[in-house]
Amino acid sequence: EDKVVQSPLSLVVHEGDTVTLNCSYEVTNFRSLLWYKQEKKAPTFLFMLTSSGIEKKSGRLSSILDKKELFSILNITATQTGDSAVYLCALNNNDMRFGAGTRLTVKP
Amino acid sequence: NAGVMQNPRHLVRRRGQEARLRCSPMKGHSHVYWYRQLPEEGLKFMVYLQKENIIDESGMPKERFSAEFPKEGPSILRIQQVVRGDSAAYFCASSPRLQGFPSNYGYTFGSGTRLTVV
Repeated sequence: EDKVVQSPLSLVVHEGDTVTLNCSYEVTNFRSLLWYKQEKKAPTFLFMLTSSGIEKKSGRLSSILDKKELFSILNITATQTGDSAVYLCALNNNDMRFGAGTRLTVKP
Repeated sequence: NAGVMQNPRHLVRRRGQEARLRCSPMKGHSHVYWYRQLPEEGLKFMVYLQKENIIDESGMPKERFSAEFPKEGPSILRIQQVVRGDSAAYFCASSPRLQGFPSNYGYTFGSGTRLTVV
């Protein structure tokens, strides 16, 4: 059965730190992997990854996929308190399967 | 612990019919959230329910859509007189209790119901 495992479950850092969030998966037929940030009512879309080794970047956030080792990472550099949120990884394979999320807390 | 169960996984309805989507939260979770994902878009919040109580339905269209979470049984999202624009994936998430958005105890998402209106 398709599976998504995120680690760590929670993380506390200070402003300016760099963080790496992990998402490993098991899937029968891979289509894409998505990252979301959830601060309020609904997760907001960050990245969609379909190809291995191609980094997607948006400001201080970046993400990359490794289809051989079956994982993705989300990097946030120079963290700010506004980055505090739950970060969700989801496997999009006909159905959508979400990981449990990583709760990031950035302290001033 | 089976996780959040949504059924059916796929639902096809003709225009004008009713669609009923079910969500059984994780054992011990008393809070349910419904989201809609339109093609090429993110997840949009629809409604947040506690047992027998709608807490926040600010994301729910005013007409044709309703949700309930009875004391016994799953949460139901009902769409009456479906139209083509209702075609989307509908996700449910549950949490044990709420302390702000998102819950400090984390959400668990179901695998969704894909509604297709023909």
